[in-house]
Order: sequence, then C-alpha cells, then structure tokens
Amino acid sequence: QKEVEQNSGPLSVPEGAIASLNCTYSDRVSQSFFWYRQYSGKSPELIMSIYSNGDKEDGRFTAQLNKASQYVSLLIRDSQPSDSATYLCASPSGNTPLVFGKGTRLSVIA
Amino acid sequence: DTEVTQTPKHLVMGMTNKKSLKCEQHMGHRAMYWYKQKAKKPPELMFVYSYEKLSINESVPSRFSPECPNSSLLNLHLHALQPEDSALYLCASSLRDSSYEQYFGPGTRLTVT
Repeated sequence: QKEVEQNSGPLSVPEGAIASLNCTYSDRVSQSFFWYRQYSGKSPELIMSIYSNGDKEDGRFTAQLNKASQYVSLLIRDSQPSDSATYLCASPSGNTPLVFGKGTRLSVIA
Repeated sequence: DTEVTQTPKHLVMGMTNKKSLKCEQHMGHRAMYWYKQKAKKPPELMFVYSYEKLSINESVPSRFSPECPNSSLLNLHLHALQPEDSALYLCASSLRDSSYEQYFGPGTRLTVT
C-alpha cells in the first residue's frame, strides 16, 4: 500500500499568523486529496478537497497541490485558537478508498 | 446536508456481550465505511460497502460483523470483543466509493471491559 506522510508536529503558531501544513504521498496515480480537521475526542471533519494542480481557496484555507513533486499542503491564514486541532491529509491509493497520514497537531497560541 | 449519524455515542461492554453499532445517512450516498481509530492514530479502514454489497474487508477479525440492510443504514455487530478493541468507531459515507469525499459521523466510543 502506498503511503501518505505528514510531520506529526506539534506545530505552534501565534494567533493571526499563517499555519502551513505539509503532506507527501507515494502513489503517483493519486488524483484526489483531502484535508480533514479533527478536534480532540471528535470525528474527522472534511475541510478541503483538491483534485488538480495549483491552489484552491476556501475562506481562510488554501490547499496547494503539486503532482510532479507529489506534495499537497494546507495554509491557514489568520490562525485562530479555534484552529488548534489535528489535521489529517488523505488520498485514495490502489483499492483503498482513503489512506490517511498520521496527522499534524496544530496549536495556535493566543 | 452532510450529516452522518451514529448510535450509541458511548458503549461499554464486557467480553462476552453482543452489541451493535448503528450508522445512518440520508444524502443518497452509495458507499459506506467503518473505521477504527485508536488514540493519537489516524482512522484505520475496516469495511467498505458499495451499493449495499461488501466490497472491502481489511482482514478484520470475525468478532466484528458488518451489515448493510439498505442504502441508508450500516450496522456493525460486535461479539466476544477483547479489551484491545476499545477505540473510537467511525462510520463514513461518500457518493460513490474511491476518489470521492467521505463524510464522517460523530463516532461511537467503545470500551471493552
């Protein structure tokens, strides 16, 4: 099974800063990439999906995909303490509908 | 509406009990999933149902038995579980299987004593 790799963190950023979360994947044929946010004790919540190279913006979130480098990132602008959570990168691989990275724990300091 | 519901929210069961977890979605999704998540780990896929048929079983022990009575409902029957099966059990659904966005329910926190 192909892998999805993330830095587990914790990543600490001050309130109002840009948080940058990164993910690499090994399956070259992957076409779909997803970012989930998971608060402690809660279930994953889909916050972004991206299917083509380039940037996709939704409010304070921007997903960036570079298929040549097999790299996908999530930028959170104007980070708020409520953004403190674990962020999971995921992509289909082979017969597995979704392979998750181990998650990056983000802490936004007020 | 992207809501997936799960019941119960919490479940404590002994190793000799039989219990069931339930999941429901009314989004017209035709793929449904069961995941298991341990603390500080990502979700692990257990089962996939596509058009009410079991399409993926990730070598899950037979003490876990999935059932898909119709396109909106997914059950997970539990029998003779072990303490190491204690985890958050997540249900998810997507329009079709593979490459589609999956939406998760709130999960059932299971404790096996």
